[in-house]
Amino acid sequence: GEDVEQSLFLSVREGDSSVINCTYTDSSSTYLYWYKQEPGAGLQLLTYIFSNMDMKQDQRLTVLLNKKDKHLSLRIADTQTGDSAIYFCAEAGTALIFGKGTTLSVSS
Amino acid sequence: DVKVTQSSRYLVKRTGEKVFLECVQDMDHENMFWYRQDPGLGLRLIYFSYDVKMKEKGDIPEGYSVSREKKERFSLILESASTNQTSMYLCASSPWGTSSYEQYFGPGTRLTVT
Repeated sequence: GEDVEQSLFLSVREGDSSVINCTYTDSSSTYLYWYKQEPGAGLQLLTYIFSNMDMKQDQRLTVLLNKKDKHLSLRIADTQTGDSAIYFCAEAGTALIFGKGTTLSVSS
Repeated sequence: DVKVTQSSRYLVKRTGEKVFLECVQDMDHENMFWYRQDPGLGLRLIYFSYDVKMKEKGDIPEGYSVSREKKERFSLILESASTNQTSMYLCASSPWGTSSYEQYFGPGTRLTVT
């Protein structure tokens, strides 16, 4: 069945890089997404990657896709306290399948 | 910018009450979704709709129903609210097309059933 796995927590210091990892199971997924949820808010689309790409960079965000291992990662460079949030990985299967979310805590 | 609005940010209801959660999107999107979000469980899809008057069950439809009479509006109905329906409810919409799963979310409604 379709399932998306993420670690639940990540803690980093301000200025460091954060890497949030995700594994998915549906090899036919065409798009993979990263969403961010700030406290008390809905989800906001951060970035996405098409399945024929290995990497996508958008300012401080770098998405890496390893299709062979079905592994997706989100790297945030120069992490700031404002990056503290829950990050959801999602794959497009028959519907959008979300992971349980990784809570990123950034300390100053 | 796509805007998805939900009728209430916070709602408190009593067990057994009928509850309506409303969602409106202003971008003429075909697809609309209702999720609930619970700690440690992530987002779970309750129902979705890909057209007016059309609906499909998601992963956890029990205890819920939906209505889509107009393209821009998707309502979630709790026929008889129970305490285990206390949760954050998120509405989303998306267009048809190659990125049809790029969903846009509302701010959420935190429902407490006492």
